[in-house]
Amino acid sequence: SQKIEQNSEALNIQEGKTATLTCNYTNYSPAYLQWYRQDPGRGPVFLLLIRENEKEKRKERLKVTFDTTLKQSLFHITASQPADSATYLCAFSGGYNKLIFGAGTRLAVHP
Amino acid sequence: DTGVSQDPRHKITKRGQNVTFRCDPISEHNRLYWYRQTLGQGPEFLTYFQNEAQLEKSRLLSDRFSAERPKGSFSTLEIQRTEQGDSAMYLCASSLRAGGGRDTEAFFGQGTRLTVV
Repeated sequence: SQKIEQNSEALNIQEGKTATLTCNYTNYSPAYLQWYRQDPGRGPVFLLLIRENEKEKRKERLKVTFDTTLKQSLFHITASQPADSATYLCAFSGGYNKLIFGAGTRLAVHP
Repeated sequence: DTGVSQDPRHKITKRGQNVTFRCDPISEHNRLYWYRQTLGQGPEFLTYFQNEAQLEKSRLLSDRFSAERPKGSFSTLEIQRTEQGDSAMYLCASSLRAGGGRDTEAFFGQGTRLTVV
């Protein structure tokens, strides 16, 4: 079955450093990958969408890469801030934009 | 606020009772989704509406679950004879079908936290 995996361990980094989160998928070849941010007790918020023909996408301090050979997407936050602390979810579309999510990676940025 | 709204935000119910949740999507969005999320997991797809038509249901959606979207506007999700395993966050999302079949971002509501005691 289609599966999407994210590093389940929390990522702790120092303010100002670059955070890199990993998303791997199996048994599927998605045309798109999406990244969302989720704060405790709240719904996910869309961050970036990257298509299979796009190797890289940027938005302000965020960068996403998509490697269809490795079946992997990397999500980078440069110059990280404590306000970036949250859970980051990777998802691909299973048709009709129905999203299949990973379990998410919790990021903690320490001052 | 023109985002996706869900009501109630929290619901505590006794096992065996029925509950109903409401979702108001962004008005121009034709696609509406329900997801369920448990602690430490990502949201899991439950069902999808294109306008008023329910086009897909997950195997997670047992016979005790029913969803409607009358007139293609707001949606309701009802759980009958609730069980403790139904305790979760129920999330609603909406999106707009783009031209050329392109996927677009999904907008999520704040969710309804259900606790079955």
